[in-house]
Amino acid sequence: AQSVSQHNHHVILSEAASLELGCNYSYGGTVNLFWYVQYPGQHLQLLLKYFSGDPLVKGIKGFEAEFIKSKFSFNLRKPSVQWSDTAEYFCAVNAWTGTASKLTFGTGTRLQVTL
Amino acid sequence: GAVVSQHPSRVICKSGTSVKIECRSLDFQATTMFWYRQFPKKSLMLMATSNEGSKATYEQGVEKDKFLINHASLTLSTLTVTSAHPEDSSFYICSFKTAGGGNEQFFGPGTRLTVL
Repeated sequence: AQSVSQHNHHVILSEAASLELGCNYSYGGTVNLFWYVQYPGQHLQLLLKYFSGDPLVKGIKGFEAEFIKSKFSFNLRKPSVQWSDTAEYFCAVNAWTGTASKLTFGTGTRLQVTL
Repeated sequence: GAVVSQHPSRVICKSGTSVKIECRSLDFQATTMFWYRQFPKKSLMLMATSNEGSKATYEQGVEKDKFLINHASLTLSTLTVTSAHPEDSSFYICSFKTAGGGNEQFFGPGTRLTVL
């Protein structure tokens, strides 16, 4: 079964600092990769996704992620965070098991941006 | 992106009662839908997957008789928590996947269930 690991559980940054959140998955087959964000009191929103092609994916709000197949990683980055980026970030991997696909989430990283 | 609604957004009930949560896709028809459960400060855990017109497939450890799922149409799915107990208190989130939308899921805003 696939699994997703997010190494940073809680990250505190000052505004304008650079961000990198780690995500590693374990699955040997074809995967689709996602980063979701959950702002306080709100529902999950898609930040970006990787299906195929250029492994460097750009998403909304200045976020990007790089798929490194050899490392089974899909780290999320942002050059300069803002206070409004304070939220919970989830990495998710969609993989096929038999004829069905399943989306597995990481445990999430809580990002706190201070002024 | 596609819009998914859930109703109610918050429910408080007494132990032993049953609670129904509705999930609707507002601007697309969904062939597959998912119900997740999110514990405080934890990730989303998939409870079950269902395709319209067929029975739901439950994940290991999820009691199908306790969490009844009805995927009534291409735009509506319901989750009924039967004989709820305090340990069922959680945040329940639904999501839809479209037939031609690749593997992206569209999530509802969630329902906070508190069982007293």
